[in-house]
Amino acid sequence: QLQLQESGPRVVKPSETLSLTCSVSGGSITSTNHYWGWIRQPPGKRLEWIGSMYYSGSRHFNPSLESRVTISVDTSKNQLSLKLRSVTAADTGVYHCVRRLRLGDNYFDPWGQGILVIVSS
Amino acid sequence: DIQMTQSPSSLSASVGDRVTITCRASQDISSYLNWYQHKPGEAPELLIYAASSLQGGVPSRFIGSGSGTDFTLTISGLQPEDFATYYCQQSFTTPWTFGQGTKVEVK
Repeated sequence: QLQLQESGPRVVKPSETLSLTCSVSGGSITSTNHYWGWIRQPPGKRLEWIGSMYYSGSRHFNPSLESRVTISVDTSKNQLSLKLRSVTAADTGVYHCVRRLRLGDNYFDPWGQGILVIVSS
Repeated sequence: DIQMTQSPSSLSASVGDRVTITCRASQDISSYLNWYQHKPGEAPELLIYAASSLQGGVPSRFIGSGSGTDFTLTISGLQPEDFATYYCQQSFTTPWTFGQGTKVEVK
């Protein structure tokens, strides 16, 4: 069964870069049928899609975050990474790693448990 | 962006109750609507995709319906493990967007 596990610093200072890693187990990140991506949820707010990428390089981002986001894949480690630059308190939230079908119904399955990242000095 | 609006934001129910949650899209999304269940501290789980298709392993008491702009998730016979927050998500076009969530609490 495919499992996703997020890891990274739990506290990031304002104006710095948030960096997270998602470790994929029980399946390959080089799957030809799937995109891999990130979704976040600020406290008290709705879920927000950040972006997705296909292992060979195709990427899609939420326009609201695109200028600050980098998503990349390390196929040798079967990992996905997220970098969010110039963070502010508004970037505080739970960050989930997700998998999405490449073609057809664009649902997210599975999800990682999520990691709470707090932006604070 | 397509705006997704769920109602109610929360509800109180008892085991065995029939629970209905609605989700409205700001424009026609055909059947590109998915439902998720989220319990605190756990990974959200896909329940329904394409408005009415049950994800494998999900109990048949979860029923999705609707098309266009109006959708419904019905839990037919609420079980103790169903107390959670439920989210709809449109998969018609990017950016993929979610409803604000409906928290199902114990009455």
